[in-house]
Amino acid sequence: RKEVEQDPGPFNVPEGATVAFNCTYSNSASQSFFWYRQDCRKEPKLLMSVYSSGNEDGRFTAQLNRASQYISLLIRDSKLSDSATYLCVVNIGGTYKYIFGTGTRLKVLA
Amino acid sequence: GAVVSQHPSRVICKSGTSVKIECRSLDFQATTMFWYRQFPKQSLMLMATSNEGSKATYEQGVEKDKFLINHASLTLSTLTVTSAHPEDSSFYICSARKGAGGELFFGEGSRLTVL
Repeated sequence: RKEVEQDPGPFNVPEGATVAFNCTYSNSASQSFFWYRQDCRKEPKLLMSVYSSGNEDGRFTAQLNRASQYISLLIRDSKLSDSATYLCVVNIGGTYKYIFGTGTRLKVLA
Repeated sequence: GAVVSQHPSRVICKSGTSVKIECRSLDFQATTMFWYRQFPKQSLMLMATSNEGSKATYEQGVEKDKFLINHASLTLSTLTVTSAHPEDSSFYICSARKGAGGELFFGEGSRLTVL
C-alpha cells in the first residue's frame, strides 16, 4: 500500500460544477498536509495548507480527518483554468520527509 | 512570499557531457533542499535530500556518483548530472522548505534533453 494515495482520475467536469478529491495517508505520524497544483510541464505550486479545523480559500475548501487518515479538497464553481493535476503532500512529523501522492488530474470542460 | 529559483530552465546537451542545475532560495535560508525528477505523465520522484554543509541523502536506486549534489551555502544547492545519457532526459525540479514541517516551495524546474 502506498503511503499517500490519490485517485489519478481524470475527473472531467463541466464548468461551474463542484468537484471533490480525497487523499488517504497511512503514516499516523503525519503532521502537516498540503494541496499543490501542477500544470503540464510546470513545477508544483502550493494551493493551500490543510489545517485541523479545515480551511477555505475562495472556491477551495480543504478538510483533514485524522481519525480516518485522509484529507480532501473541494472546488466549487469550477473554472476552465482549474484544469490541472492536484497533488496531495504529507509531511511526517519531526522529520524532513515529505510524501507525495501521484496526483489527481482534473479537466474542466466548457 | 518565499521564492525558489532554478536555473537553467531548459538545457540540451550531447551524450557524455555533464550538466549542472542550480537551485536557490531567494528570500530565506534553506538548510534542506530536495531534488526530484519527473517523467511525462508521471508523478514526482524524490532523488535526494540536499543538506547544507554535509553529504546529500540519496533515495534508493539513485546513483550518487551520477547525480552529484552540492549544498555549499544556505541558499544554494546544485545538481550535476555527470556523463549524461539520453535516458537521463527528464524534468528536474528542486524544492526547499521554510522551517520544519512547513510547505515546500518549488523551483521552476529544468528540462534536460540529452541527444
